[in-house]
Amino acid sequence: DTGVSQNPRHKITKRGQNVTFRCDPISEHNRLYWYRQTLGQGPEFLTYFQNEAQLEKSRLLSDRFSAERPKGSFSTLEIQRTEQGDSAMYLCASSTDRVFSGYTFGSGTRLTVV
Amino acid sequence: AQRVTQPEKLLSVFKGAPVELKCNYSYSGSPELFWYVQYSRQRLQLLLRHISRESIKGFTADLNKGETSFHLKKPFAQEEDSAMYYCALSPPGANSKLTFGKGITLSVRP
Repeated sequence: DTGVSQNPRHKITKRGQNVTFRCDPISEHNRLYWYRQTLGQGPEFLTYFQNEAQLEKSRLLSDRFSAERPKGSFSTLEIQRTEQGDSAMYLCASSTDRVFSGYTFGSGTRLTVV
Repeated sequence: AQRVTQPEKLLSVFKGAPVELKCNYSYSGSPELFWYVQYSRQRLQLLLRHISRESIKGFTADLNKGETSFHLKKPFAQEEDSAMYYCALSPPGANSKLTFGKGITLSVRP
C-alpha cells in the first residue's frame, strides 16, 4: 500500500466542462475526506464518507459538485459545468474511525479552469 | 462556529533561533487540536496532536484553554524545518472534519 493516491495530478479544463477526480485511500481506512485548497488558504472541508455513506457535506459543495464512494473503497469527486472559481487543489485524505488516528493525505489534484 | 486563526503568514529565522508559530482557535467546547506540516513538494502530513503531548522533530505545542491557543514551538530551528505549517481543529472524540488555519511559511536561513 503506497498511501492515498489521487488521479489525475493535474487537470486543465475549459469553463463549462465536467471533470471527475479519483481518490484511492489506504485500504484499511474506512473514512475518506475531500478538501479544497486555494492559494494562500488552508484546506477547506468539502465532504466525508464512512465506508460508502456520505456523512457530511459542506455548504461549499454546491449542486454542481457530487462525490461518491461506491463499495466503500475508492471515491470520485465530480464537478459539473466548471467555473473559473473552481480552480484549486483538491485534496483527498483517509483515516480509520478510531479516535486520534489522524489523517493520511494524498498529493492532490490541481484543477485549472480556463 | 469553529475557526482557526494563524495571525502571521511568514516567519523567517536563522538556524539555531527559537521558533513560535501562533495558533488561536474558536470552538464551543473542547476540540481536538493538531499541527500539520507540508514540506516542499511533499504531502500534507500530521506533525503532532495535543492529546498525545509528544515532541516531534523537536517541536512541542501546548494547549492553553484560557487563551484558546495552541502555539507550536521549537527551541532551536533547523534548516530542514522550513515548510508550510497549518494549525487545525476537529470536534472531540472522532476523526471527523478538520478546520484548518490559513497556514504559515517557516523559513530557516543558514
